[in-house]
Amino acid sequence: AQSVTQLDSQVPVFEEAPVELRCNYSSSVSVYLFWYVQYPNQGLQLLLKYLSGSTLVKGINGFEAEFNKSQTSFHLRKPSVHISDTAEYFCAVSSVGSARQLTFGSGTQLTVLP
Amino acid sequence: GAVVSQHPSRVICKSGTSVKIECRSLDFQATTMFWYRQFPKQSLMLMATSNEGSKATYEQGVEKDKFLINHASLTLSTLTVTSAHPEDSSFYICSARDTAISYEQYFGPGTRLTVT
Repeated sequence: AQSVTQLDSQVPVFEEAPVELRCNYSSSVSVYLFWYVQYPNQGLQLLLKYLSGSTLVKGINGFEAEFNKSQTSFHLRKPSVHISDTAEYFCAVSSVGSARQLTFGSGTQLTVLP
Repeated sequence: GAVVSQHPSRVICKSGTSVKIECRSLDFQATTMFWYRQFPKQSLMLMATSNEGSKATYEQGVEKDKFLINHASLTLSTLTVTSAHPEDSSFYICSARDTAISYEQYFGPGTRLTVT
């Protein structure tokens, strides 16, 4: 069984400030890790993913995330946010194996303030 | 990039009627599609896994007779909410897994169902 924890349900931050959205996971097997963004009344858009190799992965819109196996974390970062980054962000994991269903965290609402 | 469409984007129906939601992969083949339900301000809850040419696999607590899933082709899966009730009102999102790139799912834009 897998689980994903996003400790921060809401993160307000001023425009052009850096931001980190935290994600921790639990799994008994190897996993793939994903970050998705959801704008109001829309589906999910993939920001970035970790499959293997370099633990620092870069995604779209200037986001990056670092996989830390010892801490079972996959925190999302951006050095300077824009108003347009305001959205809900979901961390997700899937097992490296059969059905590869995604297990989602509860989401973090990022609000960028002017 | 891979595109998944859903139709309709919004639907309002009366209690007791049935509603069908379509999920299509537009430029790739999807052996597997997933159906999720999302309540306001909450995360996505997996309802069922839809496999082309076979019966869907439902998650615990999801009534298969109420949420009928059909995956008749490699590009189309449908979810039918039968005898809908107000508590079925929700945002339904599908995703499709590219048969050739099995680790990634592509999400549809979602369908807002309101049962009055």
